[in-house]
Amino acid sequence: AQSVTQPDIHITVSEGASLELRCNYSYGATPYLFWYVQSPGQGLQLLLKYFSGDTLVQGIKGFEAEFKRSQSSFNLRKPSVHWSDAAEYFCAVGPSGYSTLTFGKGTMLLVSP
Amino acid sequence: DTAVSQTPKYLVTQMGNDKSIKCEQNLGHDTMYWYKQDSKKFLKIMFSYNNKELIINETVPNRFSPKSPDKAHLNLHINSLELGDSAVYFCASSPDSYGYTFGSGTRLTVV
Repeated sequence: AQSVTQPDIHITVSEGASLELRCNYSYGATPYLFWYVQSPGQGLQLLLKYFSGDTLVQGIKGFEAEFKRSQSSFNLRKPSVHWSDAAEYFCAVGPSGYSTLTFGKGTMLLVSP
Repeated sequence: DTAVSQTPKYLVTQMGNDKSIKCEQNLGHDTMYWYKQDSKKFLKIMFSYNNKELIINETVPNRFSPKSPDKAHLNLHINSLELGDSAVYFCASSPDSYGYTFGSGTRLTVV
């Protein structure tokens, strides 16, 4: 069965500092990997996705993520965090076709002035 | 235009009542889903429909019944509501597995 682990429940970063959110997955084949962001009281918005090809993927809002098969990881990064980035971030994994995504438990990002 | 819209946004009801949550998508996607987000923000799949056909039904009490009148709509009806049903329910759609588009959620509170 597929699973996703986000080891950090919450992270605090100073505004302007760099950010890395960790995600480890368990899946038998090549996974489809996603990062979503959820602002308070809102639905989830897709930041970026990986299916194949270049292991460094670019997303919206200046985010990027790197797929490392040997480490079963798909960490999310941003070089300079803005206060508006404070939100809950979810990593998800799924196969192709009509199967559903499995989400991690989320990492809450707090941004300090 | 909202891509995936859910109504109502908030729902407060008493134990034992029956309620429905509606979801509509205008993206032309073939597949729609219901996810439940608990108080710890954990998201769990409940149902998945493809072109009005149920394709995934996770371990969900029989009190929950999805209905898809057409591929743009997926409603969720809940009978005999219990305190443990309190959560945020998200509808989502996708053309395949290339990323979901989520609705803004329905916060259900059972008192």
